[in-house]
Amino acid sequence: QVQLMESGGGVVQPGRSLRVSCAASGLTFSRYPFHWVRQAPGKGLEWVALISYDGKTTYYGDSVKGRFTISRDNSKNTVYLQMNSLKSEDTAVYYCVRDQGFGELLFYFDYWGQGTLVLVSS
Amino acid sequence: QLALTQPPSASASLGASVKLTCALSNGHSTYDIAWLQQQPEKSPRFLMKVNSDGSHRKGAGIPDRFSASSSGAVRYLAISNLQSEDEAAYYCQTWGSGSVVFGGGTTLTVL
Repeated sequence: QVQLMESGGGVVQPGRSLRVSCAASGLTFSRYPFHWVRQAPGKGLEWVALISYDGKTTYYGDSVKGRFTISRDNSKNTVYLQMNSLKSEDTAVYYCVRDQGFGELLFYFDYWGQGTLVLVSS
Repeated sequence: QLALTQPPSASASLGASVKLTCALSNGHSTYDIAWLQQQPEKSPRFLMKVNSDGSHRKGAGIPDRFSASSSGAVRYLAISNLQSEDEAAYYCQTWGSGSVVFGGGTTLTVL
C-alpha cells in the first residue's frame, strides 16, 4: 500500500535553514505530483508547495515564496522541502501529500503522510 | 482572490444528519472542490471531489453516509446517521492558477 514517511523536522532558530524529506513507497513514484501542506498548532491547513511528477513545474504559497524550495529525486522516491530564512510563523506540522493526478496535476489529494513537526524558536 | 468560507463549528446528535457548507468567493462559483476529514490527532484524509454541478467522486472506503451537492457558489457535505467517529474537522479545498486554497475548516461535534 502507499506510504509516505516524512522526516527531518525539529527545532531550529529563526533565520536558519532546515530540509524535510518525504520517502514514498508502494506507488509508481515518478508519475505522481506531490505537495507539502502544513498545519500550525491548533490551526487549519495551509498549502505550501507542489512539484509536478517530472520535477519541471513547481508552485509555492505566497507565505513561503522565495524562501522555500520543493524538489524531488525520482531515483530515490523522495520529495524534499528546503526551508530557508525560517520564521516563528513557519512553526507547523508539515505533511507530504500525493496529488491524485497520474502523469498530470489535478491539485487535489489522496494519500497523506503522518507529518513532521518543525518548531522555529530561539 | 480565490477563497473558501466555512463556518467554524457545527454539531448534531448521534444518528442524526448534518450538512456542512463551503462557500466559494465571488467570481469563482464554477470551481470544483474537495472535502477532507481530519479526525483528532490524525492526518487529513480525502473524502470526495465535488464538481460545480454537484456530481462527486468519493475516495476509497468512504461510507455511503457521506454525500455531496452544490448550489451556486456553495458546496455541501452531507453526513447521515452520524457516528462518534465522524467527530472531526472538515476542510474544503479548491485550486486555480497554480495555487491550492483551503477553507478554514468546520469542527463537527457529535452530541
